[in-house]
Amino acid sequence: DQQVKQNSPSLSVQEGRISILNCDYTNSMFDYFLWYKKYPAEGPTFLISISSIKDKNEDGRFTVFLNKSAKHLSLHIVPSQPGDSAVYFCAATVNYGGATNKLIFGTGTLLAVQP
Amino acid sequence: EAGVVQSPRYKIIEKKQPVAFWCNPISGHNTLYWYRQNLGQGPELLIRYENEEAVDDSQLPKDRFSAERLKGVDSTLKIQPAELGDSAVYLCASSFTGGGDNEQFFGPGTRLTVL
Repeated sequence: DQQVKQNSPSLSVQEGRISILNCDYTNSMFDYFLWYKKYPAEGPTFLISISSIKDKNEDGRFTVFLNKSAKHLSLHIVPSQPGDSAVYFCAATVNYGGATNKLIFGTGTLLAVQP
Repeated sequence: EAGVVQSPRYKIIEKKQPVAFWCNPISGHNTLYWYRQNLGQGPELLIRYENEEAVDDSQLPKDRFSAERLKGVDSTLKIQPAELGDSAVYLCASSFTGGGDNEQFFGPGTRLTVL
């Protein structure tokens, strides 16, 4: 049972344009969501997160949007740069009073930003 | 500040042989995680430690996998005997529980190939 789904295995965008990566979840208990970026032969690196009490969180070129009613979140990268080319993982967890807990990951989306 | 350190980076073994992976978390991080990432999938939690205590090992195949975190710092994950299906990347992550966020920091992983 895949609780976190990333239905697009890959995405290709032109440099300078917007990249939109999507993620859906099924478990209504999830209340904290994270995006990780992964380069080949490296471990995932934390990118941005959002709590379920918010619907948007922005950090520089990266913005995450959360639609709780649709159980959907998206990561927007504007403008996209060639260095953003990587696999992006969506992850979700249940936040027990700030305690770090088990992350449930999606299968990832490979983003290729073309110069 | 040094990140999460893992060794070895790569390991090739014959099936039925034992193998061990080592992880040194970020200094001061009390929570340590072992994840397994199969090809084309996101990481899946095997075991989580709070200091020396394994607080979630529900996904660890206990017939052949074992882990320890002596003194609540570095950790070892062992497989004995290895099977073909154990080929994967084994990721270690750490975090500071109680810091109010859910960010986990990952090491580069150990890529295991079982022949």
